[in-house]
Amino acid sequence: AQSVAQPEDQVNVAEGNPLTVKCTYSVSGNPYLFWYVQYPNRGLQFLLKYITGDNLVKGSYGFEAEFNKSQTSFHLKKPSALVSDSALYFCAVSGYSTLTFGKGTMLLVSP
Amino acid sequence: DAGVTQSPTHLIKTRGQQVTLRCSPISGHKSVSWYQQVLGQGPQFIFQYYEKEERGRGNFPDRFSARQFPNYSSELNVNALLLGDSALYLCASSLRDTYTDTQYFGPGTRLTVL
Repeated sequence: AQSVAQPEDQVNVAEGNPLTVKCTYSVSGNPYLFWYVQYPNRGLQFLLKYITGDNLVKGSYGFEAEFNKSQTSFHLKKPSALVSDSALYFCAVSGYSTLTFGKGTMLLVSP
Repeated sequence: DAGVTQSPTHLIKTRGQQVTLRCSPISGHKSVSWYQQVLGQGPQFIFQYYEKEERGRGNFPDRFSARQFPNYSSELNVNALLLGDSALYLCASSLRDTYTDTQYFGPGTRLTVL
């Protein structure tokens, strides 16, 4: 069975500082990994995905993610956080006909 | 282009009732998936349909059923509602049903069971 783990319930960062939201995964076979963001009372918005190729994936709104096969990790990063980045972030792994999500990490960016 | 749309936005039902939730995918998308998101948790997979056929089913009781129509829209039905069915129900669409296709989510239907 496939799974993802987001070890932090909440990440706090000051505006302008770099941010990292952690994700580790467990799959048999090739990992296909996704990041989504959810704002209050909204659905999930797609940020980026790793399928194959370059380990550094660039996505929407200045976000990027680093795939590390040896550490089975797919951490989400942004060089300079904005207050508007405050939201709930989900890592997910794709399997046949389904996405399996982590429990989510709340990102709070303070002014 | 319009994104994934869901209706209704909010719904309040009582235990034992039945509910139908509706989803229209992005134009050109042939796959629709349904997820349940309970407060404080990540979405849990319920069903996937592709070209009107069920391609996957999550660990949910038979009270949950779904279908996909010729225009690729979809309905999720839940019978004999329980308090624990209260959740945000998310619909997602994708071009196909492969591992690498991106699923795009709608705003969800908030179901409250009293």
